Amino acid sequence: DAGITQSPRYKITETGRQVTLMCHQTWSHSYMFWYRQDLGHGLRLIYYSAAADITDKGEVPDGYVVSRSKTENFPLTLESATRSQTSVYFCASIGARSSYEQYFGPGTRLTVT
Amino acid sequence: RKEVEQDPGPFNVPEGATVAFNCTYSNSASQSFFWYRQDCRKEPKLLMSVYSSGNEDGRFTAQLNRASQYISLLIRDSKLSDSATYLCVVNMDSNYQLIWGAGTKLIIKP
Repeated sequence: DAGITQSPRYKITETGRQVTLMCHQTWSHSYMFWYRQDLGHGLRLIYYSAAADITDKGEVPDGYVVSRSKTENFPLTLESATRSQTSVYFCASIGARSSYEQYFGPGTRLTVT
Repeated sequence: RKEVEQDPGPFNVPEGATVAFNCTYSNSASQSFFWYRQDCRKEPKLLMSVYSSGNEDGRFTAQLNRASQYISLLIRDSKLSDSATYLCVVNMDSNYQLIWGAGTKLIIKP
């Protein structure tokens, strides 16, 4: 099915391990975003990408790395996971340039022990 | 001060009632405004954009007050299915970055 998917949906990892969260969209949308959502906070932007090979930091980029070698994929890597990175991570994309509507993936629940 | 502030609720409302939420934003240069809906443990989805003149979509009405820097969402004849968290979202420039409120939780009771 067309849309935006994330994997894994649930992940438990240990402090210090590297973790990669995958995001894949089938619409060929240019813009893609990674957010984290924590209780009491709104969605906070980690990184975004305007196109393949173009990425930029958002509000909370520390401890995260992204890449975008292909338009449809936008993986997020936690280089050395910390407990403070326990969160729900959402990937999103934007379609037409005239629209700000963001389409979200189902999210990844990450727990760092 | 947070850039986008919402009353977290929860708002407990009987079915059929009218409920209204406000959201305030701090940056007067904000350009675009939205309400998203998020069901428990699900991804956010766009409910409606908010236009300067106010706009309506069925039972939902959104309004913008630039002078006081707030937007509002009114839900009439509330349904059980309206139970969700409503997220206020603001865009300040043209790079598609959105600033999200923490959300207002709405519970509709039969």
